[in-house]
Amino acid sequence: EAGVAQSPRYKIIEKRQSVAFWCNPISGHATLYWYQQILGQGPKLLIQFQNNGVVDDSQLPKDRFSAERLKGVDSTLKIQPAKLEDSAVYLCASSSLDPGLAVYNEQFFGPGTRLTVL
Amino acid sequence: GQNIDQPTEMTATEGAIVQINCTYQTSGFNGLFWYQQHAGEAPTFLSYNVLDGLEEKGRFSSFLSRSKGYSYLLLKELQMKDSASYLCAVEGNAGNMLTFGGGTRLMVKP
Repeated sequence: EAGVAQSPRYKIIEKRQSVAFWCNPISGHATLYWYQQILGQGPKLLIQFQNNGVVDDSQLPKDRFSAERLKGVDSTLKIQPAKLEDSAVYLCASSSLDPGLAVYNEQFFGPGTRLTVL
Repeated sequence: GQNIDQPTEMTATEGAIVQINCTYQTSGFNGLFWYQQHAGEAPTFLSYNVLDGLEEKGRFSSFLSRSKGYSYLLLKELQMKDSASYLCAVEGNAGNMLTFGGGTRLMVKP
């Protein structure tokens, strides 16, 4: 079974530029997550999708960050314009069960995109 | 909201046993995950606890006390490859949204 795919793996941009990250979840996984992980910290959830609908985006800085999952499979996360504090690893994860079920549900993570904003 | 605390760093010797603690204060609780993350890599699943008690899986065990808001990850017969960050994550009531602690960086020395 192929894992969660992300691209690019690394990206360096200057502040105020725009950047986009792509994620392809494990086949059949309905739920997709984007996390931001700043060096030395744990991952912080930015947005959670169930199929192509948003379940939670309460921690997404909506003035500059946007995400979509148009066909309920692949997803893109965009930052426009980027700030220095956006330097982090952006992790995508997927899981197979409906979030409304209170059942153990492991999240599978992709390799991440390391963003450096200069 | 959620507040999850773990030690920032720990050091242990190859072959020894180490216990990594995690305390949490949350508005909702469905279960608790432990993930391992090697430097520059994605987190990988280690364990999940929903009921009080100890879950054993090979060299790794995880314990949960819901009444105390406390969990620990126990690593036995430490190997050099166990040097990594260990992330405690609470699954809140809202579906399976995870809130992660800051992670504990474990260094295993010969």
